[in-house]
Parts: sequence; C-alpha cells; structure tokens
Amino acid sequence: GAVVSQHPSWVICKSGTSVKIECRSLDFQATTMFWYRQFPKQSLMLMATSNEGSKATYEQGVEKDKFLINHASLTLSTLTVTSAHPEDSSFYICSASGLAENNEQFFGPGTRLTVL
Amino acid sequence: TQLLEQSPQFLSIQEGENLTVYCNSSSVFSSLQWYRQEPGEGPVLLVTVVTGGEVKKLKRLTFQFGDARKDSSLHITAAQPGDTGLYLCAGFSGGYNKLIFGAGTRLAVHP
Repeated sequence: GAVVSQHPSWVICKSGTSVKIECRSLDFQATTMFWYRQFPKQSLMLMATSNEGSKATYEQGVEKDKFLINHASLTLSTLTVTSAHPEDSSFYICSASGLAENNEQFFGPGTRLTVL
Repeated sequence: TQLLEQSPQFLSIQEGENLTVYCNSSSVFSSLQWYRQEPGEGPVLLVTVVTGGEVKKLKRLTFQFGDARKDSSLHITAAQPGDTGLYLCAGFSGGYNKLIFGAGTRLAVHP
C-alpha cells in the first residue's frame, strides 16, 4: 500500500520560533497533499490543500502567513508554523492523494507539536 | 457547509458486546469513509461506501450507507479490546476532493 511519512514525529519549541514539518509520499507521486490539525480529544480539521507547483488553498480561519505550505515536488510537502505560540500546540497530520482512481487519501503518522 | 455528525461521542463497553456508531448529515455525499485512529497515529482507512443502501463487511465490522447517501453506520459485533480507538467518518466535499471529518466516536472495550 501507499506509504506517507512525516518528520519529525514530535517537536518541542519555544514560543516565537518557527517549526517546519515534512510530509513525504514514499512510493507514489502525490499530486495533492492535505494538512490537518487535531487538538486533543477532537477530530481532524482540514487546514489547507496543496497541489504540486501551486499555491496552497487555505480553509477559512487558517492564517496563510502563519502556516506556510510548500509543495515543491510530487513527493514532498512542508508545513512551516511561523512564530509559534502555545495555542499552536497540536497534532499535525498530512495526507497525500494521487495514487488511487478514487482519489483516496493516504495519511501520515502525524507530528506532535508542543510550543512552550 | 457540509457537516457530519457522529454519535455517540464516547462509548465504553465490555468485551463481547455489540455496538453501533452513527454518522449523519443533512447533505448528500458521493461517498463516505470510515477511519480508525489510535493515539499518536494517523487515521487508517477501514472502508469506503459509495452506493446508497450499500452494506460492506470487514470481519466483525459492518458498514452501511443510507439509501439517500446522507448517513452511514458502523456496527461492531462481539467487540474486543483491540477494537479500542477513535472511529471517524468522513465525506468528500468540494474541489480537490477535500475530506470533511465527523467529530469521531471514542470507543473503549474493556476485557
């Protein structure tokens, strides 16, 4: 099956710093990648959709200048949380599609971000 | 905006019991998916239902898609501790095949 990896799996940073999270499709070319955020005890909330070589489309209420998304290749997308604050602490999950005819999304294992 | 409502939010049962989780919407979805997520991991796809009235079985799990394609259910027979997890329903919405997730049902099966 299709494998999606995320790096790092967890990160702790100080308030005001920036953190970059990588999402890679290991064995297929992902034409579209999605970034989700999941707070404790809650469901996944879509943050943005990115297509390779295009600007990301952000969901309502998600600050595009704070959450920078780059999808420079068909196997890599990055999410940079700029000037992170404690309220940005969350579980960030990416998914990738492009393999299956039904546009099935394959999810990464997630990245736990803790901002002190 | 398409919304998916799941019920119940929490379910704590004994091993061997049966349970049903519901996913409802006022909107029609072309398809609905069910995922299972364990703590600290990404969600894993269990099934996709596409046709109204469709029933799919995955071992002790039975998934049903409503005739009007607005709702779905997940039934687990003889639950086991290994079934413990967060069950999420999701439907495709809008362009780029965006997935909209329900709030999830947190299931705990006690031995």
